[in-house]
Amino acid sequence: GEDVEQSLFLSVREGDSSVINCTYTDSSSTYLYWYKQEPGAGLQLLTYIFSNMDMKQDQRLTVLLNKKDKHLSLRIADTQTGDSAIYFCAANYGQNFVFGPGTRLSVLP
Amino acid sequence: DTGVSQDPRHKITKRGQNVTFRCDPISEHNRLYWYRQTLGQGPEFLTYFQNEAQLEKSRLLSDRFSAERPKGSFSTLEIQRTEQGDSAMYLCASSLGPGTSGSPYEQYFGPGTRLTVT
Repeated sequence: GEDVEQSLFLSVREGDSSVINCTYTDSSSTYLYWYKQEPGAGLQLLTYIFSNMDMKQDQRLTVLLNKKDKHLSLRIADTQTGDSAIYFCAANYGQNFVFGPGTRLSVLP
Repeated sequence: DTGVSQDPRHKITKRGQNVTFRCDPISEHNRLYWYRQTLGQGPEFLTYFQNEAQLEKSRLLSDRFSAERPKGSFSTLEIQRTEQGDSAMYLCASSLGPGTSGSPYEQYFGPGTRLTVT
């Protein structure tokens, strides 16, 4: 079945770029997503990319999609302490959205 | 606030009791989703509605779970005879449906209901 994997932890220094990686198994998804979750809160949609695109940029966020390798990444430029959160990658298969386990991003001062 | 709201935010119940959660989606959204999230995991899809019709259910949704969306607006998720393994965060999300001017693929999540079964 569909599976989405992510590394669980990432630490960066404030002002550096963060790159969060994700792999998925089923290439039939239409869209791939990045969500952010802060403690005690629901998920916030950050950005998403259509499966026939390679890249999408939105202010400090850059999404890269390598469909051949089934690899998705999220780059956060100039990472701030407010970016500390858990980041989830997700893929949709029809109306079934499959989420990865989340990457906990810690931003060090 | 016009986002997705969920009630209650926290629920503590004893094993064997029934619980019911409510979700109010963004008003113009006709798709509504329920997810379960356990500690250290991403959300797992439970079920989804388009208007009042429940169109898909995960195999995770055992017979003890039932969801309704009677008028195509708010939804309820009921768990009967709760078990300790039901302890989790229950998340609701909504999105536009097909034929609308926005993207049906943008899901907006509520803050969740945290269930603790003792």
